[in-house]
Amino acid sequence: GEQVEQRPPHLSVREGDSAFITCTYTDPNSYYFFWYKQEPGASLQLLMKVFSSTEINEGQGFTVLLNKKDKRLSLNLTAAHPGDSAAYFCAVSDTNAYKVIFGKGTHLHVLP
Amino acid sequence: EAAVTQSPRNKVAVTGGKVTLSCNQTNNHNNMYWYRQDTGHGLRLIHYSYGAGSTEKGDIPDGYKASRPSQENFSLILELATPSQTSVYFCASGDATGWNNQAPLFGEGTRLSVL
Repeated sequence: GEQVEQRPPHLSVREGDSAFITCTYTDPNSYYFFWYKQEPGASLQLLMKVFSSTEINEGQGFTVLLNKKDKRLSLNLTAAHPGDSAAYFCAVSDTNAYKVIFGKGTHLHVLP
Repeated sequence: EAAVTQSPRNKVAVTGGKVTLSCNQTNNHNNMYWYRQDTGHGLRLIHYSYGAGSTEKGDIPDGYKASRPSQENFSLILELATPSQTSVYFCASGDATGWNNQAPLFGEGTRLSVL
């Protein structure tokens, strides 16, 4: 079945710097890709949903890159601020989106 | 407003007891999921469903059963709870392929302790 590997597990950056998180997946039929943010003690909130056909996706303060050839999904938080400190999870599913498989998460700490 | 409601929010159970975690969604989503979250493991899929009456095994189904009696409700059942099932459980609903194009929407989680 699908395997999703997320790196790094922990990341500390200075305020204003970029934070880069990467996930690799194994199933070439993967079609939907998601990034979630989880603050301590809270539930998961969707940051972005990415379709298989879109390589570059711009959000508010971040960019998501999809490289289907390398089976890699990346999240780049540009100009991170302390409010970005949280756990971030990638998730992957096939065209039916029945099974949604998550990476193990990245704990991001943005230092003031 | 789209919502996924889990109950109870906190539960303490005894080893060998039966535990039922409930999840209700008002989003008319076809798909529903149960995950557990543990430090170092992220979210692991226990069971999922693609419609009323269907339940499918996820990646870690052993020791868990699921029930989807209606579009809105999806339960997770621990027939004989063990301390290793102490965790935070999240329910989600979604329909990425549907007309409303929804990524999984998560409930607030249930913190389960099995003593």
